[in-house]
Amino acid sequence: KNEVEQSPQNLTAQEGEFITINCSYSVGISALHWLQQHPGGGIVSLFMLSSGKKKHGRLIATINIQEKHSSLHITASHPRDSAVYICAVQGRRSGGGADGLTFGKGTHLIIQP
Amino acid sequence: ETGVTQSPTHLIKTRGQQVTLRCSSQSGHNTVSWYQQALGQGPQFIFQYYREEENGRGNFPPRFSGLQFPNYSSELNVNALELDDSALYLCASSGKTSGAAKQYFGPGTRLTVT
Repeated sequence: KNEVEQSPQNLTAQEGEFITINCSYSVGISALHWLQQHPGGGIVSLFMLSSGKKKHGRLIATINIQEKHSSLHITASHPRDSAVYICAVQGRRSGGGADGLTFGKGTHLIIQP
Repeated sequence: ETGVTQSPTHLIKTRGQQVTLRCSSQSGHNTVSWYQQALGQGPQFIFQYYREEENGRGNFPPRFSGLQFPNYSSELNVNALELDDSALYLCASSGKTSGAAKQYFGPGTRLTVT
């Protein structure tokens, strides 16, 4: 079973700061997902990564498969970025079938004006 | 393009009762996964359905069961409700059944068991 650890659990920063959230996992994966969850529950997929780096607007996600580690970066952070950011990994299963996603506990990010 | 929808939004049930939650997948998606998210925790994988058959299951007892219909909408049924079943239930659809696939989440159903 894959163990997914995120850090930090809570992060409060000032508007404009560069934010980094880290994720590590224990077993090889087919992909890693970064998700954003706002109060009320809705989850939005930000990135799906299997190697390298992806960028979308002010968000950057990187993954190091050898070290089993990923980071999510937010540049020029804004109060509207305040949310819970969740790392989730998608396992490999031979012979078909699905393992679903294994989630970290999330990072509660608050960006203060 | 229609997103993933879930109903009802909120639900209160009594211990021992049965509940059915519903999910409509994003248009064109034939795979749906269900997750349970307890307060303050990350979601936990319940099971996945592909073309009306269960395709994978997490560590949940048999009283958690599901259905997927020909139009790819889905139901999660929970029998003999327990207090610990109180949680946010999320469904997510994707266009692939194996390998890496972007997941599209619904808004969730918040279940309270008293």
